[in-house]
Amino acid sequence: GNSVTQMEGPVTLSEEAFLTINCTYTATGYPSLFWYVQYPGEGLQLLLKATKADDKGSNKGFEATYRKETTSFHLEKGSVQVSDSAVYFCALLLSYNTDKLIFGTGTRLQVFP
Amino acid sequence: GAGVSQTPSNKVTEKGKYVELRCDPISGHTALYWYRQSLGQGPEFLIYFQGTGAADDSGLPNDRFFAVRPEGSVSTLKIQRTERGDSAVYLCASSLMGTDNEQFFGPGTRLTVL
Repeated sequence: GNSVTQMEGPVTLSEEAFLTINCTYTATGYPSLFWYVQYPGEGLQLLLKATKADDKGSNKGFEATYRKETTSFHLEKGSVQVSDSAVYFCALLLSYNTDKLIFGTGTRLQVFP
Repeated sequence: GAGVSQTPSNKVTEKGKYVELRCDPISGHTALYWYRQSLGQGPEFLIYFQGTGAADDSGLPNDRFFAVRPEGSVSTLKIQRTERGDSAVYLCASSLMGTDNEQFFGPGTRLTVL
């Protein structure tokens, strides 16, 4: 079936450290891939997306590259800030499958000054 | 502009009771989705509306769950004979046309069944 696997959290970093959150997927067909972020007390927000292989999504200093050969969409940021502390969800969408998003379990990031 | 709104923000009910959860999508968005997020998990798809009709209800866990969108805007998720296992955050999202357009999420309704 279609699924998303994320690294378990929490991920704890000091400010300005490099961040990687791993995400791999299983899908029939050619999914679009997303990272959503949930800040404390707020709703889910789209962080970035990529719709085809080798595309790179980027936003707010975060990047992720759609790797079809490794079925991965790892999230990276070169220098995290305390304000990046949140829960990050990797998700896929199969357009032929009525646009429902399939989410991973989420990874909590805690950044300390 | 207004985002997706959901009411109530919190709902506490007793086992066996009936509850209704409301979602107001972004104006003009034709696609509307319901998801359920249990503690420590990612959101799980429940149902998808395109306009007034349920285009995909394959995620509804059983026949105690039902959702409507009679005028193609506001949607109500209805849960009959609630069980403790129904406790979760129920999320609503809307998008402009469906198919690969960004889904905008509401803040959710936290349902607690005692």
